[in-house]
Amino acid sequence: KAGVTQTPRYLIKTRGQQVTLSCSPISGHRSVSWYQQTPGQGLQFLFEYFSETQRNKGNFPGRFSGRQFSNSRSEMNVSTLELGDSALYLCASSLSLSNTGELFFGEGSRLTVL
Amino acid sequence: ELKVEQNPLFLSMQEGKNYTIYCNYSTTSDRLYWYRQDPGKSLESLFVLLSNGAVKQEGRLMASLDTKARLSTLHITAAVHDLSATYFCAVDSGSQGNLIFGKGTKLSVKP
Repeated sequence: KAGVTQTPRYLIKTRGQQVTLSCSPISGHRSVSWYQQTPGQGLQFLFEYFSETQRNKGNFPGRFSGRQFSNSRSEMNVSTLELGDSALYLCASSLSLSNTGELFFGEGSRLTVL
Repeated sequence: ELKVEQNPLFLSMQEGKNYTIYCNYSTTSDRLYWYRQDPGKSLESLFVLLSNGAVKQEGRLMASLDTKARLSTLHITAAVHDLSATYFCAVDSGSQGNLIFGKGTKLSVKP
């Protein structure tokens, strides 16, 4: 079955702009999590959505936001971009009712802020 | 605050050799995960360890979990070039969808 799909895969923005990233989870998965990956900070949790509700949020400023739609697809938005927002943004989906907590990751969206 | 430490962070191995990557974490958790990441690629799930004493093996990789010692190991047997990648361990933080990742171990297997 199809994996987690993220779009766009690559994008370049300038400081002050905003960006929206999209994630389609594995069919049947209702939980979507977002992570930021940078060489310096590694993998950091942004937020998690289930049934259109944000259940958890990591330690990121309010410029980072997200939402989930009724079909479980999710988007994240970063406003007023800063150079430090350059990163690989990874989306992961899971069967929320699973007792393993295993996350399945997409290929990521690589954002470069100039 | 849950912290996850991996060592070594860089590992250069010769083909055919054995080695172990260590993952220590700071607070109680019964669920630990190992992922592999190739350059420019996503994270691929390798192992899910859900209880103390859990051991799982896939090919040349074997992972184990000791929740009392808060330690997991990823053992590589007779390394081959195809195993070159970055390996991450991650611990369940207790909140949905939030895994705490180690910094990763970049493994390079040379002929």
